[in-house]
Amino acid sequence: QKEVEQNSGPLSVPEGAIASLNCTYSDRGSQSFFWYRQYSGKSPELIMSIYSNGDKEDGRFTAQLNKASQYVSLLIRDSQPSDSATYLCAAYIIQGAQKLVFGQGTRLTINP
Amino acid sequence: KAGVTQTPRYLIKTRGQQVTLSCSPISGHRSVSWYQQTPGQGLQFLFEYFSETQRNKGNFPGRFSGRQFSNSRSEMNVSTLELGDSALYLCASSLTGGDTEAFFGQGTRLTVV
Repeated sequence: QKEVEQNSGPLSVPEGAIASLNCTYSDRGSQSFFWYRQYSGKSPELIMSIYSNGDKEDGRFTAQLNKASQYVSLLIRDSQPSDSATYLCAAYIIQGAQKLVFGQGTRLTINP
Repeated sequence: KAGVTQTPRYLIKTRGQQVTLSCSPISGHRSVSWYQQTPGQGLQFLFEYFSETQRNKGNFPGRFSGRQFSNSRSEMNVSTLELGDSALYLCASSLTGGDTEAFFGQGTRLTVV
């Protein structure tokens, strides 16, 4: 089982709709989770961090964490073409060598 | 506030050579982590340095090494380059470690021919 798993997509969403990105992780002891956005040819850019169960909102972005289900999600409201990118979920794994582990990323395309 | 700076941006090296990459973290950040990104493997953790000490290490061969200086700047070295080392190498800085928000530099694109 991979430490952090994401659906690689591609995920296609019409402009103005809600994009929903999902991620699961294997280390039940993980406490820190992050979402990054990466445009083609660029480095990852931090969007959100979440540490507690529940929702965390920042503008059009909402991160959701459910530690019991080992599940993290990112919702993007009012999706814009500029949101088209690869979204990376990351979890700080504490089993073994402590490290920030990334999923493979979900490629999101917003269609005008 | 200046971001994370990586140099050089691009490198072309020949198999068997060695290479050194540099990373200057955000001012005040003491943790620097290095990652390798390839299309097939995604982002893979190489190692993390905190206060000049390697704190954690990923599953890479000993040809990959690093160090951190007293000003938190970090270098990564790859010896005896192989074709498979061609990748985007990213460093990320954070205040205290990978469990806090980490910010990436622009990366160094290494091509081994």
